[in-house]
Amino acid sequence: DTEVTQTPKHLVMGMTNKKSLKCEQHMGHRAMYWYKQKAKKPPELMFVYSYEKLSINESVPSRFSPECPNSSLLNLHLHALQPEDSALYLCASSQGQGASGNTIYFGEGSWLTVV
Amino acid sequence: GENVEQHPSTLSVQEGDSAVIKCTYSDSASNYFPWYKQELGKRPQLIIDIRSNVGEKKDQRIAVTLNKTAKHFSLHITETQPEDSAVYFCAASDSWGKLQFGAGTQVVVTP
Repeated sequence: DTEVTQTPKHLVMGMTNKKSLKCEQHMGHRAMYWYKQKAKKPPELMFVYSYEKLSINESVPSRFSPECPNSSLLNLHLHALQPEDSALYLCASSQGQGASGNTIYFGEGSWLTVV
Repeated sequence: GENVEQHPSTLSVQEGDSAVIKCTYSDSASNYFPWYKQELGKRPQLIIDIRSNVGEKKDQRIAVTLNKTAKHFSLHITETQPEDSAVYFCAASDSWGKLQFGAGTQVVVTP
């Protein structure tokens, strides 16, 4: 089973709201990722967690706050977002960190609209 | 860091014809090259990947070739079908182990 589950599928939030995106995998993968994808563009890496520790932050603004409560769960906390943050947010996982030799599997994504 | 260039940006083919997408990368230490297919409103789905110790890999109508010397790799789809219509992304894993994507190719297969 190569399933990465994301909730919610759609989220509309105001610029003063606080919300969270959730991701879950039960493949025993030890690396989990957040990507952001704008329309007609490739996914852009935001964060990487390896063994539940943040290992890469691609200079993402602090209004995005990741959290990895355990090896199966990954959250992205959102606060004071801007309309330009509207995008598809993709969670992904792989057996180990580093795409070299580790297939990365994507979840269905969460469509975020900031109004 | 790694830089991946992908061409063409759009590709229209007649059903039954072949489609070829080409990518080049900059980091000679990159050693993993996946291809993802993304249909409108859906997630990127891995369709095939190749590692640097292999020159070619085939899975039914899809094949990928890798030339490490020239630092380029290609996706070949034979006998295209309307359901092959999608955006295809190539990617390369850089020396930090991060996946860098190409800009994508919109493939349209017309019946």
